[in-house]
Amino acid sequence: GNSVTQMEGPVTLSEEAFLTINCTYTATGYPSLFWYVQYPGEGLQLLLKATKADDKGSNKGFEATYRKETTSFHLEKGSVQVSDSAVYFCALRIYNQGGKLIFGQGTELSVKP
Amino acid sequence: DGGITQSPKYLFRKEGQNVTLSCEQNLNHDAMYWYRQDPGQGLRLIYYSQIVNDFQKGDIAEGYSVSREKKESFPLTVTSAQKNPTAFYLCASYPERGQWNPMNTEAFFGQGTRLTVV
Repeated sequence: GNSVTQMEGPVTLSEEAFLTINCTYTATGYPSLFWYVQYPGEGLQLLLKATKADDKGSNKGFEATYRKETTSFHLEKGSVQVSDSAVYFCALRIYNQGGKLIFGQGTELSVKP
Repeated sequence: DGGITQSPKYLFRKEGQNVTLSCEQNLNHDAMYWYRQDPGQGLRLIYYSQIVNDFQKGDIAEGYSVSREKKESFPLTVTSAQKNPTAFYLCASYPERGQWNPMNTEAFFGQGTRLTVV
């Protein structure tokens, strides 16, 4: 089946620290991969995406590279800010299954000043 | 501005009552989705609809019902048969009828409705 696994949280970092949130997936088809962010009490916002192997998605200083050989899509940021505190979801979508998304369990990030 | 609106933001329900969550979009998207979010479990798909007057069960449809009478609207009813309805519910819309296209815009999410059974 199709599934996404993320590293467990919460992750607590100091401001300007380096961030990595691990994400691995299993897929029976050809997936597109996504990172969504959820700020407290809000819905989900698309952070970045990659649609084929070796693509790098990037936005707001965050990056993730689609690694087919390791079935991974790890999220990274070189220097986090307090405003990055949120829950981050890794997700995949399979070709020919429309907009249906399969999510990981989410990783809570807390950045301290 | 185009977007997707969920209402109400907070909802309280007594045990044994049905309750309906609203989801409206003005993005002209064909497909709409309902997800349930529980702490530590990510989002799980309840129901989805790829076209007006048609919808399919997702992974956790038991105890829920939906309708799609208009393209813009996809209300979710949480029935008394849902054993543990307290959760955060998210609605999303997507522009295609199941046809993958890497140039499409991606899914838009509403701000969510937090349902609490009291």
